[in-house]
Amino acid sequence: EVQLVESGGGLVQPGRSLKLSCAASGFTFSDYNMAWVRQAPKKGLEWVATIIYDGSRTYYRDSVKGRFTISRDNAKSTLYLQMDSLRSEDTATYYCATVTKGYYFDYWGQGVMVTVSS
Amino acid sequence: DIQMTQSPASLSASLGETVTIECLASEDIYDILAWYQQKPGKSPQLLIYDASSLHTGVPSRFSGSGSGTQYSLKINSLQPEDFASYYCQNGLSAPLTFGSGTKLEIK
Repeated sequence: EVQLVESGGGLVQPGRSLKLSCAASGFTFSDYNMAWVRQAPKKGLEWVATIIYDGSRTYYRDSVKGRFTISRDNAKSTLYLQMDSLRSEDTATYYCATVTKGYYFDYWGQGVMVTVSS
Repeated sequence: DIQMTQSPASLSASLGETVTIECLASEDIYDILAWYQQKPGKSPQLLIYDASSLHTGVPSRFSGSGSGTQYSLKINSLQPEDFASYYCQNGLSAPLTFGSGTKLEIK
């Protein structure tokens, strides 16, 4: 059974940093592209970043480019999201997800809440 | 960026009814479209990909159709577990964009 378990969320002040992790199991992690998708409270879904299966390429939405870094450790079957210079508009539940055919998210974690507030 | 306009924003229906949710892309996305279901407090779940392919384990009462810029999700014979929010998603080009969602409620 595919399992994705996020951790590392919490309350952080604007301008500070936070690192999210996503532990994967039940599938061959190193075969899959992976992504982070977020959802602000009572709002819709927003793609954040994608990383290719071997970590060779990464893609970001414009609003997080230069502030967020997606990475992975295939030996540990773990996905990461380093978030720097956080803003109030980054407040959201962050989901990690597997990516298939370059675009659709077929398996999702339970999500982790990030609140950016002073 | 490709904009995805989803309608209606909310929908009330009864058990056993059939409903359709629409998604309009701002340009041709060549069937590179997915649909998700999200229940309150839960993560989204993939229903449909490539506009009309059913994801593993999804009941056959769900179906997707469309082409070009216009797509739809149809749910036949509504069951209690189908009352949730639904989102379409463009996959043609980055940034990957979602529709604003449709909340399906019990009448």
